[in-house]
Amino acid sequence: SQTIHQWPATLVQPVGSPLSLECTVEGTSNPNLYWYRQAAGRGLQLLFYSVGIGQISSEVPQNLSASRPQDRQFILSSKKLLLSDSGFYLCAWSKPDSPNGELFFGEGSRLTVL
Amino acid sequence: AQSVTQLGSHVSVSEGALVLLRCNYSSSVPPYLFWYVQYPNQGLQLLLKYTSAATLVKGINGFEAEFKKSETSFHLTKPSAHMSDAAEYFCAVRGDTGRRALTFGSGTRLQVQP
Repeated sequence: SQTIHQWPATLVQPVGSPLSLECTVEGTSNPNLYWYRQAAGRGLQLLFYSVGIGQISSEVPQNLSASRPQDRQFILSSKKLLLSDSGFYLCAWSKPDSPNGELFFGEGSRLTVL
Repeated sequence: AQSVTQLGSHVSVSEGALVLLRCNYSSSVPPYLFWYVQYPNQGLQLLLKYTSAATLVKGINGFEAEFKKSETSFHLTKPSAHMSDAAEYFCAVRGDTGRRALTFGSGTRLQVQP
């Protein structure tokens, strides 16, 4: 069966510090990978998605970036965090041949920027 | 373009009462529709999905939803609320075939009163 792991689960960082959130998927090959951010009362906002190694699509201009160095690894990064980067970050995957795009989510990473 | 509107950011019901969470969608092509549930500080879990096979879709934990094309709606219902149903619920759509990712509504927080 497939599983998805995210870490760290919680993170408190000062403004201006770097960020690295990691996500890995097991039990499948060539998944589509996604990073969403959830801000209080604002639902889920798609940040990045990837259909393959090194292929990243950005949905929202911001000071975050994403990378996919391996088939089942997806990393969310920032060089300098802003207060507005606080939120709950969710990694998700979908089957590459899925006709309906059903997403399978990780447990999330809560980031607080102070 | 695809979008989802969830009417009511907070819904409160008594234990044993009917649960009705509203979702309206917009899509330029026949959509795929989903309901996800999120418990505090956790990822999202799929409740049910509409993939054009049947307009009445049954999901986990006694929930069901009906796809109504004429009303562009996909409301979530449960005949009798349980305390364990207290969570946040998200409706999502995949319509535009050129867009791989799901678009989510802003969520509805369900509170169940004893």
